[in-house]
Amino acid sequence: AQSVTQLGSHVSVSEGALVLLRCNYSSSVPPYLFWYVQYPNQGLQLLLKYTTGATLVKGINGFEAEFKKSETSFHLTKPSAHMSDAAEYFCAVSDLGANNLFFGTGTRLTVIP
Amino acid sequence: GAVVSQHPSWVICKSGTSVKIECRSLDFQATTMFWYRQFPKQSLMLMATSNEGSKATYEQGVEKDKFLINHASLTLSTLTVTSAHPEDSSFYICSARVQSGERYNEQFFGPGTRLTVL
Repeated sequence: AQSVTQLGSHVSVSEGALVLLRCNYSSSVPPYLFWYVQYPNQGLQLLLKYTTGATLVKGINGFEAEFKKSETSFHLTKPSAHMSDAAEYFCAVSDLGANNLFFGTGTRLTVIP
Repeated sequence: GAVVSQHPSWVICKSGTSVKIECRSLDFQATTMFWYRQFPKQSLMLMATSNEGSKATYEQGVEKDKFLINHASLTLSTLTVTSAHPEDSSFYICSARVQSGERYNEQFFGPGTRLTVL
């Protein structure tokens, strides 16, 4: 069975500051890991994903995440926050077949001018 | 590429009526689509997996007679909320899974449909 825990339902950062959104997962099989962003009243947009290979994954809008098996983590980072990054971020895990996505509860990112 | 649309984007209906939501993959074929439900400030919960040409697979606790799913073509799945009640008010999001190519098995999400039942 798979599950995802996102620590911190709400994160606030100043514009230009580092963004760090935490995600820990539980999986009985090698996981596929995803980060999605959701803007108000919109669907989800894929930021990045890890399947196999390099553990540091780069995504769109300057975001990246690192898969750390020993820590069962897949934290999302961005060196410098922009106002446009304000949104809800969801971490998700699936099995190798990507048949089902299990989502975390989400983290709302606020960027302070 | 890999665009998924939903229609309508929002709907308000009276209690007891039925509402149909469409999910379309615009530029790719999808034998598998997924329906999620999202309550305010909460995560997405998978309701059912829609399979083209066969019956949908429902998650535990989801009433299949209340949430009717039809996947009649490779680009269209519909979710019908029958005899809707206020507790069915929610944000419904669909996704479609890519079957081939570089983004094989990746799910692309629609923009969602906000249902309000009065």
